[in-house]
Amino acid sequence: DAGVIQSPRHEVTEMGQEVTLRCKPISGHNSLFWYRQTMMRGLELLIYFNNNVPIDDSGMPEDRFSAKMPNASFSTLKIQPSEPRDSAVYFCASTIHREGNEQFFGPGTRLTVL
Amino acid sequence: AQKVTQAQTEISVVEKEDVTLDCVYETRDTTYYLFWYKQPPSGELVFLIRRNSFDEQNEISGRYSWNFQKSTSSFNFTITASQVVDSAVYFCALSETNDYKLSFGAGTTVTVRA
Repeated sequence: DAGVIQSPRHEVTEMGQEVTLRCKPISGHNSLFWYRQTMMRGLELLIYFNNNVPIDDSGMPEDRFSAKMPNASFSTLKIQPSEPRDSAVYFCASTIHREGNEQFFGPGTRLTVL
Repeated sequence: AQKVTQAQTEISVVEKEDVTLDCVYETRDTTYYLFWYKQPPSGELVFLIRRNSFDEQNEISGRYSWNFQKSTSSFNFTITASQVVDSAVYFCALSETNDYKLSFGAGTTVTVRA
């Protein structure tokens, strides 16, 4: 079975440009999470969805960040406009919505904003 | 406040040595879940184990073992007879009641030298 799929794997862009990261969760999973990993802050949750509905977006840094989940098999994380401090690895994870369930992570998207 | 503390930033061992990774957590919940993830140099996050707060039995899986002690709020991880392929960053994480996100520790980088 395919795991969580993320695209692109690497993205290099210039400050001010719009960036869209994509995620396809594991089939049958109904919760999806976006995390960001940086040297300074480690792994931190940005937002999570349950049954395509955003449940907790308290980790979204600012209005430049937005996330959508139009259906059970696709989610996007958009940064507009991007800034150099957004450079990080962005992970998508999915699970079956049940307290304490392990999350399965995608390979991540390494974003570099110049 | 940091919910998960991994005090060891880096550990370097020679192949076949045992290595123990410390994890101390903080929560007021009586029901919670603890996890370990491995992040090899390729960058993906690999789920290793989950324990719930009501199950203090230690667990062994091949060369991996876990020691959960509620009295000291610790969930330590031991790799026995380490191998070069064990070189990775290992993260401990906590999930609390009705909070589906994972709160990660800062990670411990393990380097196993041949």
